[in-house]
Amino acid sequence: DTGVSQNPRHKITKRGQNVTFRCDPISEHNRLYWYRQTLGQGPEFLTYFQNEAQLEKSRLLSDRFSAERPKGSFSTLEIQRTEQGDSAMYLCASSAAGRGQETQYFGPGTRLLVL
Amino acid sequence: GENVEQHPSTLSVQEGDSAVIKCTYSDSASNYFPWYKQELGKRPQLIIDIRSNVGEKKDQRIAVTLNKTAKHFSLHITETQPEDSAVYFCAANPNFGNEKLTFGTGTRLTIIP
Repeated sequence: DTGVSQNPRHKITKRGQNVTFRCDPISEHNRLYWYRQTLGQGPEFLTYFQNEAQLEKSRLLSDRFSAERPKGSFSTLEIQRTEQGDSAMYLCASSAAGRGQETQYFGPGTRLLVL
Repeated sequence: GENVEQHPSTLSVQEGDSAVIKCTYSDSASNYFPWYKQELGKRPQLIIDIRSNVGEKKDQRIAVTLNKTAKHFSLHITETQPEDSAVYFCAANPNFGNEKLTFGTGTRLTIIP
């Protein structure tokens, strides 16, 4: 499968615990995006990387959230001290830089439930 | 920042009829407008996109129109089929897609057999 992959697909955790999600983009894509989607809403931008550089972070990304892409390949999104309001689908997308290659391809998402 | 509004939130159409979904955006700098289809429990998938230098684009039964002056764009699906039932999201971006997408709130389309 050469598409974007995410792990785990589902995560149930207790409030206050830390969780980490992983995204593996399409191999030749140098841009990687994280979005959050709650029920009945469109995806909301969280952050994105070009190679290993994190270029933009949304105000939605509080201090409890951190994302990395250490070698410009896979990325991790960590949520510390989870809250019930963090329950959502976390989507990763990747694209190639440059005009004509801007299509963002999404992964299947990680569904997080905070109890 | 960019704000995208999408209407209607739900749409039911008889099989074979056409469906139209409309979006407006606020940032006149936006120049890339993709449409994604999301089936229940699945990832969003791009179905068509349009850039600001084009007023209309068509791909088989799907077409998108863009009115830059009015800052709105629309998705048209003709000869609808049951497999068109899904949630559709419009989005806008100010750098030909090379940055974050701002999404609308989605339209749940139901095709009635």
